[in-house]
Amino acid sequence: SQQGEEDPQALSIQEGENATMNCSYKTSINNLQWYRQNSGRGLVHLILIRSNEREKHSGRLRVTLDTSKKSSSLLITASRAADTASYFCATNNQGGKLIFGQGTELSVKP
Amino acid sequence: DAGVIQSPRHEVTEMGQEVTLRCKPISGHNSLFWYRQTMMRGLELLIYFNNNVPIDDSGMPEDRFSAKMPNASFSTLKIQPSEPRDSAVYFCASSREWGEKLFFGSGTQLSVL
Repeated sequence: SQQGEEDPQALSIQEGENATMNCSYKTSINNLQWYRQNSGRGLVHLILIRSNEREKHSGRLRVTLDTSKKSSSLLITASRAADTASYFCATNNQGGKLIFGQGTELSVKP
Repeated sequence: DAGVIQSPRHEVTEMGQEVTLRCKPISGHNSLFWYRQTMMRGLELLIYFNNNVPIDDSGMPEDRFSAKMPNASFSTLKIQPSEPRDSAVYFCASSREWGEKLFFGSGTQLSVL
């Protein structure tokens, strides 16, 4: 069964706007990771946040983690058309498994 | 660094045939994962290895699926016999350390007719 569930399933915004994607999970985790997938390609790792961290930044990306609510969010600021892709959260549990959610399809219109 | 290398890139086969997918992880990485991606089911974890040892194969759908990792630089995923419902993109991924970020290959697009 899937561990992480993203919301929304699809998001369409204009260039320059911010994009926020959410991820909820069910069991305790060691870390939570966000990945990006362009159409027809493999997934690319974006950012990893550990269970004892609350916020992390990487360039235009900001990830938050709330372990009490079992949720995480990915914020992409000042979006660009090149950010158009599917974004997945993945949870790493005690056993080392990395389970992916269904993803959010982001479309950034120029 | 060549990244994770998967072959073939595309595979078209007929129902009942044996299919072998291959993966070369990044040198020095000690964990390897096989995933399957479809529109209906998303990304499913099939099996993962740590230091060449299978840790969890509970995601392997049926006995028709088997995976091996004979050494640190090579893994195979075999489907025998293949069925149309096995059509999907199969990804291999590796990580330097257990539980850390994954590096994905480009995937194998499998079509079983």
